[in-house]
Amino acid sequence: QVQLQESGPGLVKPSQTLSLTCTVSGGSISSGSYYWSWIRQPAGKGLEWIGRIYTSGSTNYNPSLKSRVTISVDTSKNQFSLKLSSVTAADTAVYYCARDLYYASNAFDYWGQGTLVTVSS
Amino acid sequence: DIQMTQSPSSLSASVGDRVTITCQASQDISNYLNWYQQKPGKAPKLLIYDASNLETGVPSRFSGSGSGTDFTFTISSLQPEDIATYYCQQYDNLHLTFGGGTKVEIK
Repeated sequence: QVQLQESGPGLVKPSQTLSLTCTVSGGSISSGSYYWSWIRQPAGKGLEWIGRIYTSGSTNYNPSLKSRVTISVDTSKNQFSLKLSSVTAADTAVYYCARDLYYASNAFDYWGQGTLVTVSS
Repeated sequence: DIQMTQSPSSLSASVGDRVTITCQASQDISNYLNWYQQKPGKAPKLLIYDASNLETGVPSRFSGSGSGTDFTFTISSLQPEDIATYYCQQYDNLHLTFGGGTKVEIK
């Protein structure tokens, strides 16, 4: 059973960089069948895809966030990470990591439980 | 970028009712459309992929249909445990977007 777990600071100051890591267990992140994505959800609002990475390191980002986002992968640790720079209060949200089935309409079949990140001084 | 218009934004129905949610894409997305259920405080759960394929373990009262720009998600007989917010999600040209969500409540 694949499991994903987000980790990182729950509080980030405005203008700083938000950094989160997703640890994958129960399967190898190096499997060639999946992308690995980050998705966020502000309180009471809908879901927003942030971006994704393939095991090769190839990335795709949401155009609205592209200038501030970096996603990387560490296959030796079975982890992938998110960095979002120059954060503001608008970046306050629950951040999820998820597995992306690129061969099935890029559906997200496994999700982490989510981690709340608050941007505040 | 492709926009997804999901409707209604909320609905109230009785146990046993048939519930239908629609999602319209601003451009043809073939069948690259998925549906999720999200309960409060939980991560979304995949229900339907490729517009009409039921994810393993998901009850058969859930179904999806459509292709191109117009898609439908149906709960054939609403159950109390189906109270949740439902989202559509599309893939096109290396980008993914979600619909705005439909909150389903019991009347």
